[in-house]
Amino acid sequence: DIQMTQSPSSLSASVGDTVTITCRASQTINDYLNWYQQKPGKAPKVLIYGASRLQSGVPSRFSGSGSGTDFTLTISSLQPEDFATYFCQQTYSTPEITFGQGTRLDIK
Amino acid sequence: QVHLQESGPRLVKPSQTLSLTCTVSGDSISSGDYYWTWIRQPPGKGPEWIAYIQHSGTTYYNPSLMSRITISVDTSKNQFSLKLNSVTAADTAVYFCARDLGGYLGYLDSWGQGSVVTVSS
Repeated sequence: DIQMTQSPSSLSASVGDTVTITCRASQTINDYLNWYQQKPGKAPKVLIYGASRLQSGVPSRFSGSGSGTDFTLTISSLQPEDFATYFCQQTYSTPEITFGQGTRLDIK
Repeated sequence: QVHLQESGPRLVKPSQTLSLTCTVSGDSISSGDYYWTWIRQPPGKGPEWIAYIQHSGTTYYNPSLMSRITISVDTSKNQFSLKLNSVTAADTAVYFCARDLGGYLGYLDSWGQGSVVTVSS
């Protein structure tokens, strides 16, 4: 199966900062990469699909880039509601989708 | 807007069978070519895909769990279900049902709230 490795596993930032989370696939997945946000006790919510496409209703401070094996999620001008855990997910090997282990974003 | 809700026992004894049902509302489970999905998330870990089913009954299972899983769909009740047998403590997790759009640029667009299942005697 395709392994997804996120880094860092956690990071601390302040409101207004810009942060970047990376996700690396164990083999090429073209742009079959989605990003989700999860808050405690809640289900994940899709932010970015197809590596760079912003889901409807998601603020434009979220952006995604990358192709092949290396991807990034960037959050510009962090807002209080952005402190959460973020996961990447590959769908290249659908139906056998796999997720990263998550990156927890905390308030500094 | 589609809504999904998991139901089933929250505590299962080791070696027994975990059974969960997902009730879909706001849309027919037979509409579209979606993948109706079970995903679990162990405490403090990333999500793990368990299985898909389509309204036609076509199924796909995670190879690592395949020998213990049965997934089924009941279109008359707009539900799909998961059975995981011979459970151990390693199966303790939050279990989510979700809808996967499938295809190129597919993603999990709707999720249930999650069902916390603990395996313990």
